[in-house]
Amino acid sequence: AQSVTQLGSHVSVSEGALVLLRCNYSSSVPPYLFWYVQYPNQGLQLLLKYTSAATLVKGINGFEAEFKKSETSFHLTKPSAHMSDAAEYFCALLTGGGNKLTFGTGTQLKVEL
Amino acid sequence: DAGVIQSPRHEVTEMGQEVTLRCKPISGHNSLFWYRQTMMRGLELLIYFNNNVPIDDSGMPEDRFSAKMPNASFSTLKIQPSEPRDSAVYFCASSGLAGGYSTDTQYFGPGTRLTVL
Repeated sequence: AQSVTQLGSHVSVSEGALVLLRCNYSSSVPPYLFWYVQYPNQGLQLLLKYTSAATLVKGINGFEAEFKKSETSFHLTKPSAHMSDAAEYFCALLTGGGNKLTFGTGTQLKVEL
Repeated sequence: DAGVIQSPRHEVTEMGQEVTLRCKPISGHNSLFWYRQTMMRGLELLIYFNNNVPIDDSGMPEDRFSAKMPNASFSTLKIQPSEPRDSAVYFCASSGLAGGYSTDTQYFGPGTRLTVL
């Protein structure tokens, strides 16, 4: 079965510190992976996506993620957290023949002064 | 483009009433998705359409839920009769297909927050 696991439902970092949000996947076919961000009372916005090209993917707002097949991981990072990064982050896997997104349970990121 | 448009943004209704949620996808997109988000179950895909045709409705919880897409620019999700456990945020998303395997981004609307009393 194809699935996504996000480790840590809540992550807290200090402003200026490294952000690391973890995502592991299970897929029987080469995966297409996504990170979305959801700000309070808003819809989901795409941060970045991996579609079998470069393994290091750069997204919006200074975020990037590295696809590691050997570790079945697609962790999201940002070198320096900003208060505006506080939101919920979802990792997702494209499944079902290419139209269905399977989402992880989400990680709530808190940024403290 | 205005993005995916959903209405209403908030809906409060009483148990047993019919609820209709509406979605206008991004112009030119040919896939439309309905999701439900709750604290307990996270984000769940309810149904998706391709070229106005329902492709997979395996996520629709039960017969009380129905969805239609009469044309490329409009879709509805209806709950009849509504129950308190249907309280959730319902998202609509749209995407365009590239060849036979979609790598395109799903663009989400702002959601409809449904409260069933």
